[in-house]
Amino acid sequence: QKEVEQNSGPLSVPEGAIASLNCTYSDRGSQSFFWYRQYSGKSPELIMFIYSNGDKEDGRFTAQLNKASQYVSLLIRDSQPSDSATYLCAVGGSSNTGKLIFGQGTTLQVKP
Amino acid sequence: GAGVSQSPSNKVTEKGKDVELRCDPISGHTALYWYRQSLGQGLEFLIYFQGNSAPDKSGLPSDRFSAERTGGSVSTLTIQRTQQEDSAVYLCASSHAAGGKGDTQYFGPGTRLTVL
Repeated sequence: QKEVEQNSGPLSVPEGAIASLNCTYSDRGSQSFFWYRQYSGKSPELIMFIYSNGDKEDGRFTAQLNKASQYVSLLIRDSQPSDSATYLCAVGGSSNTGKLIFGQGTTLQVKP
Repeated sequence: GAGVSQSPSNKVTEKGKDVELRCDPISGHTALYWYRQSLGQGLEFLIYFQGNSAPDKSGLPSDRFSAERTGGSVSTLTIQRTQQEDSAVYLCASSHAAGGKGDTQYFGPGTRLTVL
């Protein structure tokens, strides 16, 4: 079992729709959770982080965390073609090294 | 302010040669990380520095890989006797501190290494 799992996609949504990206993790001691966006040929760019159970909203983005289910998701409202990218879920483990474990990423395609 | 910088942006080398990759973190960030991303793959952790020491080297794939950090700032990742499987994008990230909450990592642009 991979430590952080994501559906590779591609996930295709029409412009203006809600895109839902999901991630599960195996380490119950994980404390920090991040979503990065990566455009082709570019480095990862931080979108959101979340540490507590529940929802966290920032503009069109909402991160959701459920530690009991070991599940974290990212919702993108009013999706735009510029949102088309690979979204990486990253999990900070129970150790204090700050080391992040990344999922393989989900490719999102927003069609005009 | 200035972000994480890396050099070179691209490096092409022949199998068996040594290469050095450089990372300059965000000013004031004490923690520095190296990751590797192979074609179509996720990011793979290599090594973490807190100041000049490396408490976690668990991701270095072999003893051909080494890294150092001096002055709590610039870090160099060295790959000796490069192999074709070393071809990847090498990403550096930095954060204020390490571990627990609140230590968001910011990535540099990466060095694309191609071993012929």
